[in-house]
Amino acid sequence: DVKVTQSSRYLVKRTGEKVFLECVQDMDHENMFWYRQDPGLGLRLIYFSYDVKMKEKGDIPEGYSVSREKKERFSLILESASTNQTSMYLCASSLRTSGSRYNEQFFGPGTRLTVL
Amino acid sequence: AQRVTQPEKLLSVFKGAPVELKCNYSYSGSPELFWYVQYSRQRLQLLLRHISRESIKGFTADLNKGETSFHLKKPFAQEEDSAMYYCALRGSASKIIFGSGTRLSIRP
Repeated sequence: DVKVTQSSRYLVKRTGEKVFLECVQDMDHENMFWYRQDPGLGLRLIYFSYDVKMKEKGDIPEGYSVSREKKERFSLILESASTNQTSMYLCASSLRTSGSRYNEQFFGPGTRLTVL
Repeated sequence: AQRVTQPEKLLSVFKGAPVELKCNYSYSGSPELFWYVQYSRQRLQLLLRHISRESIKGFTADLNKGETSFHLKKPFAQEEDSAMYYCALRGSASKIIFGSGTRLSIRP
């Protein structure tokens, strides 16, 4: 059973703080993803990683960075948090896509971040 | 451009009534489409994918390339179907593109 865990369920930070959101998966998945989930906007991809130390920008990378030093861990970093980054953040992982086969993404429980 | 459109933010139906959650997509190649679901206080999870042509929890979805649609249907709604539903399209490589979501509320 795939398990994707996120370090915090709720987080409150102040404007300008550096924020780390951690995600760990235990199924040896190559791919990992960070999304933000906002009402009326659905899920938007921030960054993803298809291997250790590899990363690619998603649709809304501005104001975020990521780190993948180990296969099981994918960190999302807000260098200087702003109020418009208040959101629900979801991490996901999947096996590497091979050819035409799409592998299901498994999601973590989410971190609700509030920036004051 | 690759895009997924879910025109309804909220859909409310009575228990036992038919349900149809609309999804339209824009994609230049051969699309691969999915429905993900998030029940209250649970994780987002895959409900079904079009290539499997399966029925999950009584839900089905047929890909209509002519209308570029992938609507989710169930003939008789149950209260436990209340959830947030996202239509999604496989983009390049491992990325998928999600729609804005439809909240389905089943009234007793």
